Amino acid sequence: QSALTQPPSVSGSPGQSVTISCTGSTNDVGNYNRVSWYQQSPGTAPKLMIYDVTYRPSGVSHRFSGSKSGNTASLTISGLQAEDEADYYCGLYTTSSIWVFGGGTKLTVL
Amino acid sequence: QVTLKESGPVVVKPTETLTLTCTVSGFSLNSPRMGVTWIRQPPGKALEWLAHIFPNDEKYYSTSLKSRLALSTDTSESQVVLTMTNMDPVDTATYYCARMSAVMFFRFDYWGQGALVTVSP
Repeated sequence: QSALTQPPSVSGSPGQSVTISCTGSTNDVGNYNRVSWYQQSPGTAPKLMIYDVTYRPSGVSHRFSGSKSGNTASLTISGLQAEDEADYYCGLYTTSSIWVFGGGTKLTVL
Repeated sequence: QVTLKESGPVVVKPTETLTLTCTVSGFSLNSPRMGVTWIRQPPGKALEWLAHIFPNDEKYYSTSLKSRLALSTDTSESQVVLTMTNMDPVDTATYYCARMSAVMFFRFDYWGQGALVTVSP
């Protein structure tokens, strides 16, 4: 199975922007847009934040956006708020019809 | 309103078989391009995808766990059952079921609350 690499942690002050990366390979992230992002606050189930690299579900703040460059997908959170502090996971639906998750990134709001 | 809820044992012994049930509402297990997925998360660790099943009974399993996993569906009860054989303490985790939408794009749009399963003698 493919491996997705995320930074273990990122941090930012309220009002700032932070970007979380998710790096795969040419065979997956590089050639397909099947990347989604999930936010998980402590003790709760993950929540879908972004799908197909750039699409935002209804109800998710416009401060969350997704992008991709080469083999790396990214989640950007602008106007950082205390409530954004959580773990974030990228997920990829592979061409083999199985899923792979990244190792997760802990976002700390300073 | 779409909901999913996991149910099953809280504790299982090593070598036993785990059976978890995901009961869904707000959508049909026969809905085209809507599947049910199982995902687990060991305490303090990352999410791990386990398996998913689609309305045509198409099933996919994690490569590393394929020999231990099985999925089945009871459409009349709106339930998807996951069985995992030969449980080990490393399988201690919160097990989530989620709806996988494959309508135009692929994503897990609804999640259950999760069920913590501890493997202990």
